[in-house]
Amino acid sequence: SQQGEEDPQALSIQEGENATMNCSYKTSINNLQWYRQNSGRGLVHLILIRSNEREKHSGRLRVTLDTSKKSSSLLITASRAADTASYFCAPNTGNQFYFGTGTSLTVIP
Amino acid sequence: NAGVTQTPKFQVLKTGQSMTLQCAQDMNHNSMYWYRQDPGMGLRLIYYSASEGTTDKGEVPNGYNVSRLNKREFSLRLESAAPSQTSVYFCASSPNDDRGYGYTFGSGTRLTVV
Repeated sequence: SQQGEEDPQALSIQEGENATMNCSYKTSINNLQWYRQNSGRGLVHLILIRSNEREKHSGRLRVTLDTSKKSSSLLITASRAADTASYFCAPNTGNQFYFGTGTSLTVIP
Repeated sequence: NAGVTQTPKFQVLKTGQSMTLQCAQDMNHNSMYWYRQDPGMGLRLIYYSASEGTTDKGEVPNGYNVSRLNKREFSLRLESAAPSQTSVYFCASSPNDDRGYGYTFGSGTRLTVV
């Protein structure tokens, strides 16, 4: 399968804490993206990391990529209640991305 | 900017009925996609169109057909709906280049087949 697999499936933290989600995949990739989905809405693109990059930052988001381990992580620092959502990784091996089942993040105020 | 617009937002069909889900994007993107999202299954690619005039099957194409009408529009047709096609359907588009932009998703169509 070319899907990403997110871990954990669910995560609950207090506001202000950091949240870390992991993604594993099985094939060589061109890049990998992370998306957020609020309940009942479409997915929103957060960040893309290319296969030759190891780390990327965007605001409170930090993404790492280890192609030797075929894994990526998404760190959200100083979480807020508004970060409550599902987060998906999507490895890209060609023209399309393959999404996993996501990590459901709950940030408790 | 409208982004990706999907219609309808909700639909209930009887088994065997047909319908077309519409999708339009105003970002001049080359590629467009149709996904379905089911509980515990993540998003699965149904069909995609890498560029105007081309379409290709994704992971779960059976029971569906698509048309890339022009660069803006990409429709998904269910010829004979089945209860197994009850799902949330998302259309997405992307420039399909190396600038680092991801997909832009529509807000989804919730389809129930009874």
